[in-house]
Amino acid sequence: AQSVTQLGSHVSVSEGALVLLRCNYSSSVPPYLFWYVQYPNQGLQLLLKYTSAATLVKGINGFEAEFKKSETSFHLTKPSAHMSDAAEYFCAVSDPHRGDYKLSFGAGTTVTVRA
Amino acid sequence: DSGVTQTPKHLITATGQRVTLRCSPRSGDLSVYWYQQSLDQGLQFLIQYYNGEERAKGNILERFSAQQFPDLHSELNLSSLELGDSALYFCASSVWANTEAFFGQGTRLTVV
Repeated sequence: AQSVTQLGSHVSVSEGALVLLRCNYSSSVPPYLFWYVQYPNQGLQLLLKYTSAATLVKGINGFEAEFKKSETSFHLTKPSAHMSDAAEYFCAVSDPHRGDYKLSFGAGTTVTVRA
Repeated sequence: DSGVTQTPKHLITATGQRVTLRCSPRSGDLSVYWYQQSLDQGLQFLIQYYNGEERAKGNILERFSAQQFPDLHSELNLSSLELGDSALYFCASSVWANTEAFFGQGTRLTVV
């Protein structure tokens, strides 16, 4: 079964600094990969997704992620953090080549932004 | 607003009881997914329905069951509730089985 590992359960950044959240997947066949954000007491919102097209994926709110097959990674970045980026972020994977469209989530990374 | 509606938003019940969580997917979406989010297990896939038929099953307990009705809304039934069933239950919907899923705000279940 496909799985993802998020490195770091908590990340603290200064406002205006780079945000880097790490995600590695386990698969010999490139899966579909997703980043979701969850604000307190809210549902999950899709930030961006990789579905085997361009390896650099741009999402909402200034986030982007790069699919690197050689490193089995799909790290999420944002050049300049804003206070509103404080939330929990989840990397997720699905395996469409096997007809498996459910999402398998990582453990999540909580981002705090310091003023 | 994702367009996915879950009711109720909060539910407090006692051990041994049975509850029903309801999900109305986005208009036109045929596929519904249920997920459980808890502190110890994280986000776990429970079950998927597509146009009324069960399509995929995750680590869903036998005490839990779900169905999708002809109008495409879905219900998740949890019975013989235990303290460990306390969690946030999310519903998500997508147009087809293989397209982007949109999540509802969740139902927070507390078992006391």
